[in-house]
Parts: sequence; C-alpha cells; structure tokens
Amino acid sequence: NAGVTQTPKFQVLKTGQSMTLQCAQDMNHEYMSWYRQDPGMGLRLIHYSVGAGITDQGEVPNGYNVSRSTTEDFPLRLLSAAPSQTSVYFCASSKDRGTKTGELFFGEGSRLTVL
Amino acid sequence: TQLLEQSPQFLSIQEGENLTVYCNSSSVFSSLQWYRQEPGEGPVLLVTVVTGGEVKKLKRLTFQFGDARKDSSLHITAAQPGDTGLYLCAGDRTNAGKSTFGDGTTLTVKP
Repeated sequence: NAGVTQTPKFQVLKTGQSMTLQCAQDMNHEYMSWYRQDPGMGLRLIHYSVGAGITDQGEVPNGYNVSRSTTEDFPLRLLSAAPSQTSVYFCASSKDRGTKTGELFFGEGSRLTVL
Repeated sequence: TQLLEQSPQFLSIQEGENLTVYCNSSSVFSSLQWYRQEPGEGPVLLVTVVTGGEVKKLKRLTFQFGDARKDSSLHITAAQPGDTGLYLCAGDRTNAGKSTFGDGTTLTVKP
C-alpha cells in the first residue's frame, strides 16, 4: 500500500527558481490538500481540491499554484521561489472533505530550502 | 490569530508520569481530530471526536471533547518513551475541507 507519495523528499532552490512538488495517492480519495509546516506554527493549508478539476485556496495560497487533472495527482507549483517558502510541505488526502468523517492521510513530506 | 490554541507547546516528562494536552478555541467545531507526528514523517490520525462531552479511549490515551464543542483534551496515563512525538489537534468548522491545525505539543518522555 503506497498511500500518499510525495516527491522529491528534499530540494534546494535559489531565489526566483520555479519547481513542482509532486503528490500522488492510490486510495481513490476525492479530497486532496497541501500544507506547509514551519517550526512553532503547526500545519497551514495552502490549497485543496474536493475532486478532479476543482481546486480552492486555503489559508496561505500566495506564491503557489495547483491543478487537479486526475483523481490521483495533485501537484503544487512554486512559481518564483522565495526564502519565505523554505518549509516542509505535506500532501494529504481523504475519502471525505470534512473532519467529521474525513481522516487525513499524509505523505512523508518534502523539505524545501530556498537560498 | 490561531483558531486552535494548543498547550503546552513543549512537555518533557519521565516515563510513568501522567500528562494532559489541551486544544482550545473560541469557535464551535462539528468535530475535532488528534494526530501524532514523528520526526521525518507525516501526521497520523489518533482519534476523531464528534459529540459534545464525548470521551474516547485508545489504550493509555483518553480524548475528551468539550460540552460546547470548542475544546478538547488528550490525557496520557503512564507515559512511555514510545509516546514521544508532536501531538496536533485539527478541526474544520465548515466541514468544507479547510481543516485547521493547532501549533502542536512536542512531548518528550524520558526513560
């Protein structure tokens, strides 16, 4: 069982570079989301999707783009990396969208450093 | 302003001691979840509490949801080194997919 797979696990970028963090899930979950985790600040929602072709902004969406062309994949794009985007990024998926029934399954994280 | 406030932020105790972690909010949540995260890994769900006043037990862990559904607590009895980790509470007020997380409590249990 692969669950939620994130790549790459580590990445170093220079300011202004662009890159895509990949996320794939094999559980046929409708709901997927991206969070960033910074020391002392918990997990903050960047973008989320309730199904293929549908995305919406979370708490901290600026500087990031997403798309959901298939149920399985939910890539996160950094358009022009900034040092403030240095963080650990987690992709999560859920069968349902809400916390009442929707347990979030997380990937192992992608650690990004922007110099 | 953090929607979910967790306390304490850090907790270091000896094996065998009891502890309680709190998750508080001024907002009402339809449910709250508790996750545990180990270094280098993603959070893993421990429990979901749905009904005000609900108490759920998971071995030595006891979870309680406040009567007004604004707060929750996690109590660990006779803590073990294997309990070491980051404990996170999460909630979604609108049930629309915008789960909010608290800042977490970092627990260290010393043998």
